[in-house]
Formats: sequence, structure tokens, C-alpha cells
Amino acid sequence: DAKTTQPTSMDCAEGRAANLPCNHSTISGNEYVYWYRQIHSQGPQYIIHGLKNNETNEMASLIITEDRKSSTLILPHATLRDTAVYYCIVRVEIQGAQKLVFGQGTRLTINP
Amino acid sequence: NAGVTQTPKFQVLKTGQSMTLQCAQDMNHEYMSWYRQDPGMGLRLIHYSVGAGITDQGEVPNGYNVSRSTTEDFPLRLLSAAPSQTSVYFCASSYFPSGLASPLHFGNGTRLTVT
Repeated sequence: DAKTTQPTSMDCAEGRAANLPCNHSTISGNEYVYWYRQIHSQGPQYIIHGLKNNETNEMASLIITEDRKSSTLILPHATLRDTAVYYCIVRVEIQGAQKLVFGQGTRLTINP
Repeated sequence: NAGVTQTPKFQVLKTGQSMTLQCAQDMNHEYMSWYRQDPGMGLRLIHYSVGAGITDQGEVPNGYNVSRSTTEDFPLRLLSAAPSQTSVYFCASSYFPSGLASPLHFGNGTRLTVT
């Protein structure tokens, strides 16, 4: 299973774009990259996911490199409420089981 | 729209006691699952279900039982609580069999302490 590597912590100024990197160099062809965040011990909140192509939704953009070995989550205009731990996850389905392979997450702090 | 609802939010048990953690979803998701989150360990899969009447073991199933009598509910039972089961438990659901392309939706967790 692919394992993800993320920086332990990052800071970003309010209103600026927050770019969170993730390495997943051993990812397989059928494994999706998912991003979740946890705000202060709440349940993980889904942000975005992708397989090969770049993706964008109302929360964020996901840029996946052509070799799929790394990706970047972009929060275009960070607010104080975006302060959270962000998890880059490779998700694998094994005989119906949704197995999540986590890294340690990046603690993102948005500063006023 | 409630999403995934977990009860209770907090629980303290003595070693050897049993209890049931409740999970309900109102999104008509076929897939439901239980994870535990421990510091430095990420989320580990305990049990999962791909539909009513169907359950299977995940990565760390020992000490836990599940059943799936309805699409909406997926309770997790601790048979005889041990201190090693002190953790935060999350229930999650998604559509199936779209599987990997369908996001998992998580509840807000049950914080369990076993003394």
C-alpha cells in the first residue's frame, strides 16, 4: 500500500493561498488520492479527491503530478476557519474494504 | 440533513464491561465502516459492511463485533472492554460499489476511555 508523506506543520496568512504538499511515491494505478481535514477532534471532513487529473471544487483544488508520485492541495483564499490538520490519504479497495493509508497530516495554521 | 450520527460522544468503561457504539446515516449509503484513531496511527479499519446483512473484518477486528440489519444503522459492540481499546472511534459511510470514487463521510466520533 502506498504511504503518504506530508510536512508536519505549515503557516499561511489569512486571505492568501495555502499550498499543502503530499508525497505518495509508491502509489499504484488504481489508488485514489483523497484529502480530508480534522478541525479540533471533530470527524474527518472530506475536501477533494483525484486519480490522475487535476480537480477543483468549491473548497479547494487538487494538483496531481503526471507521474502521480505527489500532489498539492490548494486552498485559494485561506480563512481562520481553515486552521486544521490536513490529511493526504491514499485509498485502496481490497475485496470491498475501504482501506485508508494515512500520513501524519499537516497542521495548518492560518494567521490573521 | 444529519449525515452520519454517532452516539454517545463520550464514554468511560471499566475493564471487562461491554457496550455498543451507535452509528446511523440518512444518505442511503450501502457502505458503512468503523475506524479507530490513535495518536500517530492514523485511522485503522475495524469492520465494514457493503449492505444490509453483510459484514466483514478490517485491519483490527479483535474485540469488536458488528451487525447490519438495516441500511441506516451499523452498531459496533465491544464485548469485554480492555484499556487497549481506549481510542476515538469514527463511523463512515459511502456509496457502493462506486467505492473509491465516492467520498467517505465521517461522523464526529465517540471518545472511549477504558480504565
